[in-house]
Amino acid sequence: NAGVTQTPKFQVLKTGQSMTLQCAQDMNHNSMYWYRQDPGMGLRLIYYSASEGTTDKGEVPNGYNVSRLNKREFSLRLESAAPSQTSVYFCASRRGEGRTGELFFGEGSRLTVL
Amino acid sequence: AQTVTQSQPEMSVQEAETVTLSCTYDTSESDYYLFWYKQPPSRQMILVIRQEAYKQQNATENRFSVNFQKAAKSFSLKISDSQLGDAAMYFCATPPDQTGANNLFFGTGTRLTVIP
Repeated sequence: NAGVTQTPKFQVLKTGQSMTLQCAQDMNHNSMYWYRQDPGMGLRLIYYSASEGTTDKGEVPNGYNVSRLNKREFSLRLESAAPSQTSVYFCASRRGEGRTGELFFGEGSRLTVL
Repeated sequence: AQTVTQSQPEMSVQEAETVTLSCTYDTSESDYYLFWYKQPPSRQMILVIRQEAYKQQNATENRFSVNFQKAAKSFSLKISDSQLGDAAMYFCATPPDQTGANNLFFGTGTRLTVIP
């Protein structure tokens, strides 16, 4: 009963380093999402994937890339990390077809860029 | 531009009392779903309740209920008989003002404190 699993849970990077956040869901959901959460700003959508093979930009895509590897996995890559990317990152998947279902979230990944 | 507004950054309530958290949004869609999520200190995002916009009846889940005013684009969460475990950040989530888009936008959240 894993749901949405994201790794790593914590990461410290130096400015300019790269890293990939991994996300996998075992609920056979079509849609997957990456959000970032910053104090006072709620959750902001970075990228999402409505189905395998498609990705779309959200509110704050700059500095990030994503890959929908297959139906289960959706990764987020920071090519050259910046201190402004210090945040908590959440992966989510959406139940059902279309836009009726709720999001299921992973436990979050805290990223610090020095 | 997407607008989801939670105008109350912080709220407090006495244990066993009732509190209402507000949310307003903007969408041109006619058929959509709205959600409230709870985030306790553990950081896990937990679905509290969802509302179908085409239903007149307000959603209810145990002590949690919604006051949905479609014309006003308002979606408030009422918590009755508040318990210490209700202390958390609460976020409302709404669809974007973009036909067919399959994502959700979140408000900035309301931090709820429950006073024993």
